[in-house]
Amino acid sequence: GAVVSQHPSRVICKSGTSVKIECRSLDFQATTMFWYRQFPKKSLMLMATSNEGSKATYEQGVEKDKFLINHASLTLSTLTVTSAHPEDSSFYICSASPTSVLRETQYFGPGTRLLVL
Amino acid sequence: GEDVEQSLFLSVREGDSSVINCTYTDSSSTYLYWYKQEPGAGLQLLTYIFSNMDMKQDQRLTVLLNKKDKHLSLRIADTQTGDSAIYFCAETSGGATNKLIFGTGTLLAVQP
Repeated sequence: GAVVSQHPSRVICKSGTSVKIECRSLDFQATTMFWYRQFPKKSLMLMATSNEGSKATYEQGVEKDKFLINHASLTLSTLTVTSAHPEDSSFYICSASPTSVLRETQYFGPGTRLLVL
Repeated sequence: GEDVEQSLFLSVREGDSSVINCTYTDSSSTYLYWYKQEPGAGLQLLTYIFSNMDMKQDQRLTVLLNKKDKHLSLRIADTQTGDSAIYFCAETSGGATNKLIFGTGTLLAVQP
């Protein structure tokens, strides 16, 4: 149980294009989903907290207009990197927190590796 | 600020015990977690401990929590080569957002 998927697993795009990453909780409902960014050999940096049906809460320094987050249902959140540039290349990981028991526990997706050329 | 510190690297021989240490700063954290990340993959939740507990054992894993010193450790008994990975501790940041603050990560290398 508690499986989170991400799609795509890796993507290469040209500079200036937009990329959408999907995060799904497969066997549970998640009121809250989180988006992280991980640089090589570094820890995870929280980008934003996404609550179903409401606007995402972004961490300080994260551009809302560049990283668009939509959490339309209890099982799906999307992150769109708009007008991507090479510096946006990174490993993006989502997590989901179940609505029931152990609310504070997060289950992580396998990550999406983005390369912007 | 919120800083969660870990040693960067640990090398052990197969069959030995591994102990990965973590110090955290937020004394209001409700839960503390250990996650495992294999190369190119997401994070796998290994275990967690509630802040009013001192110890939790789960098969080969033992978590020790010293709230006074804000010190958390993960002991892996009979370490196997498949345990080689990066291990992250994480604390909840308090408040209603259930936000996690991750440690810097410890790379565990298991030598055959």
